[in-house]
Amino acid sequence: AQKVTQAQTEISVVEKEDVTLDCVYETRDTTYYLFWYKQPPSGELVFLIRRNSFDEQNEISGRYSWNFQKSTSSFNFTITASQVVDSAVYFCALSELGNTPLVFGKGTRLSVIA
Amino acid sequence: EAGVAQSPRYKIIEKRQSVAFWCNPISGHATLYWYQQILGQGPKLLIQFQNNGVVDDSQLPKDRFSAERLKGVDSTLKIQPAKLEDSAVYLCASSSADRASYAETQYFGPGTRLLVL
Repeated sequence: AQKVTQAQTEISVVEKEDVTLDCVYETRDTTYYLFWYKQPPSGELVFLIRRNSFDEQNEISGRYSWNFQKSTSSFNFTITASQVVDSAVYFCALSELGNTPLVFGKGTRLSVIA
Repeated sequence: EAGVAQSPRYKIIEKRQSVAFWCNPISGHATLYWYQQILGQGPKLLIQFQNNGVVDDSQLPKDRFSAERLKGVDSTLKIQPAKLEDSAVYLCASSSADRASYAETQYFGPGTRLLVL
């Protein structure tokens, strides 16, 4: 069975600090996809990144970076120089090959204080 | 490109009443999902459609929930009768993938917040 664990329920940082959101997953499939979504107070889930299980390259997009390590089944998300607009709930999710539904973690609520 | 549209955005009903939600996916997206998100939790799948056929409804409480996707485009999700525990956000998502393809990104609508009193 698939499972996604986000152990950090809430994180609070001061603006301009770096913050890392942890994600650990379980799956028996050798091919799978990992995702991060952002859910601001408005409620809409905003897609941030998708990574397939064969691509362990880390990715950087502006202030965002992702570290994928199959050896530890982790897909962590780092925000550099956090801003107040980064305040939201962040979800890590997993899906199998073949267009299957997403399995989400419980989310991490990030509060960035000015 | 227009995103996933959902209506209404908010709904308050009393238990045992019925309610319906509407979703219009991104144009051309073959796959449509309905998720339920209870406060403090991640979204959980209710039903998945491929065009106008049901792919997975194993987690849909069929005694009270029903969904359809006529003509493979818009979809409606209905609850009848509603229970207190149905209070949640109902999210619709769509993707361009089909079952034979690799997973494609799911794009979500703004959701419908339901409160059952």
